[in-house]
Amino acid sequence: DVKVTQSSRYLVKRTGEKVFLECVQDMDHENMFWYRQDPGLGLRLIYFSYDVKMKEKGDIPEGYSVSREKKERFSLILESASTNQTSMYLCASSSPDGSNQPQHFGDGTRLSIL
Amino acid sequence: KQEVTQIPAALSVPEGENLVLNCSFTDSAIYNLQWFRQDPGKGLTSLLLIQSSQREQTSGRLNASLDKSSGRSTLYIAASQPGDSATYLCAVHSRASGSARQLTFGSGTQLTVLP
Repeated sequence: DVKVTQSSRYLVKRTGEKVFLECVQDMDHENMFWYRQDPGLGLRLIYFSYDVKMKEKGDIPEGYSVSREKKERFSLILESASTNQTSMYLCASSSPDGSNQPQHFGDGTRLSIL
Repeated sequence: KQEVTQIPAALSVPEGENLVLNCSFTDSAIYNLQWFRQDPGKGLTSLLLIQSSQREQTSGRLNASLDKSSGRSTLYIAASQPGDSATYLCAVHSRASGSARQLTFGSGTQLTVLP
């Protein structure tokens, strides 16, 4: 069965800290994504990656970076956490474009920045 | 830029009713449309994916239709159950976006099925 695993369900950090959110998929998918979800704003794409060491900015990349050193792992990095980055973060993965396969999501990480 | 709208934002029905959730999108140049379910505090579960060349997809009590020319999709849930209570999201995989890999999500319909 398809599995996208996010390392933490809940995380509390302090302003200014460097924060790492980890995501692992076991489906050998080329594409991986990081979204944030906020009430009233829906899901917004932060970054995505279509191959190892490749990345592209989504709609709201400011304040974030990503790393994809291995195909199965995609990390989201908050360089210097701020309170406006308190949110639900969702990781997803999918097969290559044109395959018409669905995106599969992890359970999410609820991040609070104090 | 693709925009996806879901109406209504919330819906409450008694158990056993058949119901329809609506999704509309502004740009018909799409690869596919996906319906997801999200339980409180959880991630998204993929329910159905309709390719741009298809008119509908069915899975159990769920049936999703797609009218690409009018920019509309519906999710039909038959004989609703309290376990169907969740937020339902539709997402469009557009051809015209800066990268074809992006999904554009609607804001969701929060469904409550009353026992």
